[in-house]
Amino acid sequence: AQKITQTQPGMFVQEKEAVTLDCTYDTSDPSYGLFWYKQPSSGEMIFLIYQGSYDQQNATEGRYSLNFQKARKSANLVISASQLGDSAMYFCAMSMYSGGGADGLTFGKGTHLIIQP
Amino acid sequence: KAGVTQTPRYLIKTRGQQVTLSCSPISGHRSVSWYQQTPGQGLQFLFEYFSETQRNKGNFPGRFSGRQFSNSRSEMNVSTLELGDSALYLCASSLLAGEPRETQYFGPGTRLLVL
Repeated sequence: AQKITQTQPGMFVQEKEAVTLDCTYDTSDPSYGLFWYKQPSSGEMIFLIYQGSYDQQNATEGRYSLNFQKARKSANLVISASQLGDSAMYFCAMSMYSGGGADGLTFGKGTHLIIQP
Repeated sequence: KAGVTQTPRYLIKTRGQQVTLSCSPISGHRSVSWYQQTPGQGLQFLFEYFSETQRNKGNFPGRFSGRQFSNSRSEMNVSTLELGDSALYLCASSLLAGEPRETQYFGPGTRLLVL
């Protein structure tokens, strides 16, 4: 069974500092996708960044980058120059193709990030 | 382009009742997935629909069901509500289905409270 582990339940970071949110995953399937989502207190899940298992380069989207270490099965999210609006829950998720179709996204427990002024 | 919309946003029901939640995907998206989010269990996959067919179902009892219409809009139904069904129900849409690289875009969710 696929599994996502986020070991940081909560983090406090000073505004403008860089943040690294940890994510490790467990799967024996060679084809999978890794996603990061942001969930503000309003509840909506906002897509941030995607990394495919066969992608050679780390994904980047604006201030977000994904530090993908396939051998270690880790996919850490890096937020550069944090802003107050970055305060939210962050979820790492994995999707895989199991022959009959993707089995939905498997989510980690999340990290509650608080940016302090 | 409009995002995923869900109605209603908030709902209060009593045990034993049934409830229907609605989701309209992003225009052009044909796959709709549903997730349940609770403080104890986190985010769990309920089911996925593509071209009016259920493709996958998570580990939930038969009280949870859904359907998809020809315009890709989807509904999920929970019958005989239990207190533990209180949760945020999130709908997500994607262009296609069956591909791990398909990004799912989420709606604002429906908060269901069962009393």
